[in-house]
Amino acid sequence: KAGVTQTPRYLIKTRGQQVTLSCSPISGHRSVSWYQQTPGQGLQFLFEYFSETQRNKGNFPGRFSGRQFSNSRSEMNVSTLELGDSALYLCASSSRPNEKLFFGSGTQLSVL
Amino acid sequence: AQTVTQSQPEMSVQEAETVTLSCTYDTSESDYYLFWYKQPPSRQMILVIRQEAYKQQNATENRFSVNFQKAAKSFSLKISDSQLGDAAMYFCAYRSAWVGNQFYFGTGTSLTVIP
Repeated sequence: KAGVTQTPRYLIKTRGQQVTLSCSPISGHRSVSWYQQTPGQGLQFLFEYFSETQRNKGNFPGRFSGRQFSNSRSEMNVSTLELGDSALYLCASSSRPNEKLFFGSGTQLSVL
Repeated sequence: AQTVTQSQPEMSVQEAETVTLSCTYDTSESDYYLFWYKQPPSRQMILVIRQEAYKQQNATENRFSVNFQKAAKSFSLKISDSQLGDAAMYFCAYRSAWVGNQFYFGTGTSLTVIP
């Protein structure tokens, strides 16, 4: 069974641009959550989706948004990029909320 | 809000020896889960062990075991017979029993295994 797949692995953008990151969960998993990992702030929860509905949202500005499609694939979007948005963005999936979480290898975003 | 503290930024252990990584947390909830995740250079977070707060018995997974002290809000990870492949960043994490997959992570402990 394929694991959680995140694309792209690396991304370089400039300030003010927007970016879309993609996450394909493990087959059969309907819950997808996103985390931001930085050296300064560590791992921080962004949001969680289950069956196309956002269940929970972390303390991030409205520039960060996400969605989930009917096939459970998820995207997150960051608009008007800032230097501080440079981070590793991790996606995780589970069959249902509160079940075991499986992580992808992340997308490393660099904002110049 | 819940907080998770790992006070050891770096630890090292000789191969085949035992090492303990510390973690404390703060919460007002009575029902929750605690986890240890490992993040090797590949960046993928891998679940090492999980503990349900309502269980008094400490979780064990092969060479990995925890010392869960609920009253003290302490959750340490013991790695026995350390192997080179155990070298990684280790994160302690908390999740409420009621709020889906919102995890709170500690800042991590970088473990080096010395051959």
